[in-house]
Amino acid sequence: ETGVTQSPTHLIKTRGQQVTLRCSSQSGHNTVSWYQQALGQGPQFIFQYYREEENGRGNFPPRFSGLQFPNYSSELNVNALELDDSALYLCASSQGVLNTEAFFGQGTRLTVV
Amino acid sequence: AQRVTQPEKLLSVFKGAPVELKCNYSYSGSPELFWYVQYSRQRLQLLLRHISRESIKGFTADLNKGETSFHLKKPFAQEEDSAMYYCALSPSGGYNKLIFGAGTRLAVHP
Repeated sequence: ETGVTQSPTHLIKTRGQQVTLRCSSQSGHNTVSWYQQALGQGPQFIFQYYREEENGRGNFPPRFSGLQFPNYSSELNVNALELDDSALYLCASSQGVLNTEAFFGQGTRLTVV
Repeated sequence: AQRVTQPEKLLSVFKGAPVELKCNYSYSGSPELFWYVQYSRQRLQLLLRHISRESIKGFTADLNKGETSFHLKKPFAQEEDSAMYYCALSPSGGYNKLIFGAGTRLAVHP
């Protein structure tokens, strides 16, 4: 059974650019949640995808968007990058949206310059 | 507003000393609360969930609705307990859409 994997592990982008981050969910998991973790802070919920549909969103602007594919892997897209978007982006996968544990990936470190 | 507060950024203790990591929450309903841990160079992982009422690695946490607290305790700290600890609240039930605190770094010295 494979765990949650994220790619790339780190990247640097310029303000105003667009970025796509990827998450492969753990085998058998159909739900992916994305979090943003700024330096010195706890993770903050961005949105969740369940069976390819968005299933809840945190307090993030529309330039943060996502997708979930038929194999349940997921992408996080951020347009018009701002310096404050610099953070560790975490995804977590689970089987279902309620009472099954969500397992976290190792994260993607995004730096916006 | 839903919020989780961990008042200490760093807690430093000696091996064998008791540990209490504080967590307070603000939530209007019946919360589900969790403790997550991140060891050095490892990913974030679940430590315990309040409704399971388990003791994991010697840690326990009791939900106190009157004080809106969910403090994490261990009677005798071990060096391998050194890690970053996050308290989290689920407003929607289960393990999803979690609201995390800012975290407390626990350093256990020999």
